[in-house]
Amino acid sequence: DAGVIQSPRHEVTEMGQEVTLRCKPISGHDYLFWYRQTMMRGLELLIYFNNNVPIDDSGMPEDRFSAKMPNASFSTLKIQPSEPRDSAVYFCASTERGRAKNEQFFGPGTRLTVL
Amino acid sequence: GENVEQHPSTLSVQEGDSAVIKCTYSDSASNYFPWYKQELGKGPQLIIDIRSNVGEKKDQRIAVTLNKTAKHFSLHITETQPEDSAVYFCAASTFNKFYFGSGTKLNVKP
Repeated sequence: DAGVIQSPRHEVTEMGQEVTLRCKPISGHDYLFWYRQTMMRGLELLIYFNNNVPIDDSGMPEDRFSAKMPNASFSTLKIQPSEPRDSAVYFCASTERGRAKNEQFFGPGTRLTVL
Repeated sequence: GENVEQHPSTLSVQEGDSAVIKCTYSDSASNYFPWYKQELGKGPQLIIDIRSNVGEKKDQRIAVTLNKTAKHFSLHITETQPEDSAVYFCAASTFNKFYFGSGTKLNVKP
């Protein structure tokens, strides 16, 4: 298996632009998580899905952030409009319900820079 | 919600020495405690985990201990090697939500 795939790996954009981050979870995994990592706040859970349905979005910082999961193999995190304080590394992770370990498998991340 | 504190934030050891990283958590309902290693430019990767019904677990040079009463757990790395240099995160989990510590940057000097 290729693991969790994220694209793009790096994104540089200007303030006010729309940004879309993409994630392909591991095949067969029914949970998908979006995290944001910054020096100041560490790793924060933004939202997670189960069977493509958003379960908990309490970590989404504001209405400028939205996430979708149209099918089991694809999810997007959108920021519109983007602001410099959104600069961070965004990780997607997936797991399978019933796994003895509850292990979450992380993708390589998308480094977002908003100028 | 859960609050996980991790110490120290940086740790420098000589190759071959042991390293210990400590975490505390606040929610007694947390029942799963993974440790992740993050190398530069990569996503976190699970290295060891422990469930609340177990006090200690070991995997080669890595061990984790859990004290449920005191709500703290620790990562122990013995015979450290330069390739152990990375950032380590602890986490506490209930159901499917992970709450991560702030990370420990471990530097193993050759």
